[in-house]
Amino acid sequence: GESVGLHLPTLSVQEGDNSIINCAYSNSASDYFIWYKQESGKGPQFIIDIRSNMDKRQGQRVTVLLNKTVKHLSLQIAATQPGDSAVYFCAENTGGFKTIFGAGTRLFVKA
Amino acid sequence: EAGVAQSPRYKIIEKRQSVAFWCNPISGHATLYWYQQILGQGPKLLIQFQNNGVVDDSQLPKDRFSAERLKGVDSTLKIQPAKLEDSAVYLCASSQRRGGSHTGELFFGEGSRLTVL
Repeated sequence: GESVGLHLPTLSVQEGDNSIINCAYSNSASDYFIWYKQESGKGPQFIIDIRSNMDKRQGQRVTVLLNKTVKHLSLQIAATQPGDSAVYFCAENTGGFKTIFGAGTRLFVKA
Repeated sequence: EAGVAQSPRYKIIEKRQSVAFWCNPISGHATLYWYQQILGQGPKLLIQFQNNGVVDDSQLPKDRFSAERLKGVDSTLKIQPAKLEDSAVYLCASSQRRGGSHTGELFFGEGSRLTVL
């Protein structure tokens, strides 16, 4: 069935360190993946996306890696800052233009 | 550019009462979504509109939930009668339909937090 999950519910990192948030997906037909950031009291906000014909995509301080062989997605945040503290969701786009969200990982950044 | 607008931000009702949420998507966005987010969980898709037609409502509890998108712009989500387990944040999102096989980026509103007592 369709499901997107995360390996760790919480992640605590020191300010300035790099963060890695992992995600597993089960629908091998999914061809588009997105990472969203959700701050308290707000809606999810787009961070970065990747299509299934790519295995890596970089943005500003963020990199998404896609391993289709093991159906795994990761978000790397370089030089993590206090403002990065939030819940991060991976989401997959399945056939029919349906976006399915995972359960989320809460990132704590220690000053 | 104005973002996705939702109202009300907060609503407290008793079980068996009814409630309605309103959403105004980003201008020009053809696709509109309603998600339910229970505390500590990821958003769950309830219904998806393309213009004013329903694309997917497979997860919508149709015995109590209804949604409409008149004229392909604003949308309302109604719950009647509400149950305790409906306590959640109801998120509205919109996206531009692009060519290809995916929706692209979803733009979310700040959500409507419902508490059912």
